[in-house]
Amino acid sequence: DTGVSQDPRHKITKRGQNVTFRCDPISEHNRLYWYRQTLGQGPEFLTYFQNEAQLEKSRLLSDRFSAERPKGSFSTLEIQRTEQGDSAMYLCASSLTGGEYSNQPQHFGDGTRLSIL
Amino acid sequence: RKEVEQDPGPFNVPEGATVAFNCTYSNSASQSFFWYRQDCRKEPKLLMSVYSSGNEDGRFTAQLNRASQYISLLIRDSKLSDSATYLCVVNRQAGTALIFGKGTTLSVSS
Repeated sequence: DTGVSQDPRHKITKRGQNVTFRCDPISEHNRLYWYRQTLGQGPEFLTYFQNEAQLEKSRLLSDRFSAERPKGSFSTLEIQRTEQGDSAMYLCASSLTGGEYSNQPQHFGDGTRLSIL
Repeated sequence: RKEVEQDPGPFNVPEGATVAFNCTYSNSASQSFFWYRQDCRKEPKLLMSVYSSGNEDGRFTAQLNRASQYISLLIRDSKLSDSATYLCVVNRQAGTALIFGKGTTLSVSS
C-alpha cells in the first residue's frame, strides 16, 4: 500500500496524559498536512510542512500541540495534557506541490481516532 | 460566518434520482475547488476537482461560478453506493490548507 499511513488507528487515554501520533506520507510527496475532525463537522486545518519546514500553523494549534517532520519524511503530532475537547479524528494528508505540480490534490490517511476519558 | 457553507442535508433519495448539492465560499481570492467524499468513520477521498468551465466525470457534474462564489455538484442516476457525506472544499493557494464545508449527507435507498 503506497498511500498515506497513520498510526495508531485508535487511541484511548485519560485526561491529562500526553499522546503522540505518527503519519507516513506518500513517499514522493513534499507537503504534509494535519487536520482535525469532530463529529458532524468537516476537517479543520492544523498545520502543514514543506519537507522538514513547518510553514503554517492554525490558531487551533494551541501550545499543547506540537508537530514535527524532522527528516522531511514521516511526521509526528503530539498533544500534551490532553483535554476532553481534544477528542476527535486526527487526519494526515500529503501532496506533491511545486513547479509543474501546482494543483495536485491532497491525499488523506485513515486517521487516528482519539478518545479522552 | 464559515468560509465554506453547504446545504445542511440530509438528502434522502431513491435509487435513480438526480440530486444537487450547493456550496458557497466567502474568500474571493480562493484558487482551487474540490468535492471530497467521506464514508462513515473513514477518511475524505477526492471525488473531483471543480473548474470554471464545469467538468463531468461519469454521473457526476461539478460547476463553479466565481462571480457568485458558488460551487455545485450534480449526481445523476443515484446508486446505493453513492450514500456518503459530500464535502465542499476550497483552497486559497495551491499546496496550502484546504478549507472544508461541514458536509452534506446523502442517503440513497432502494
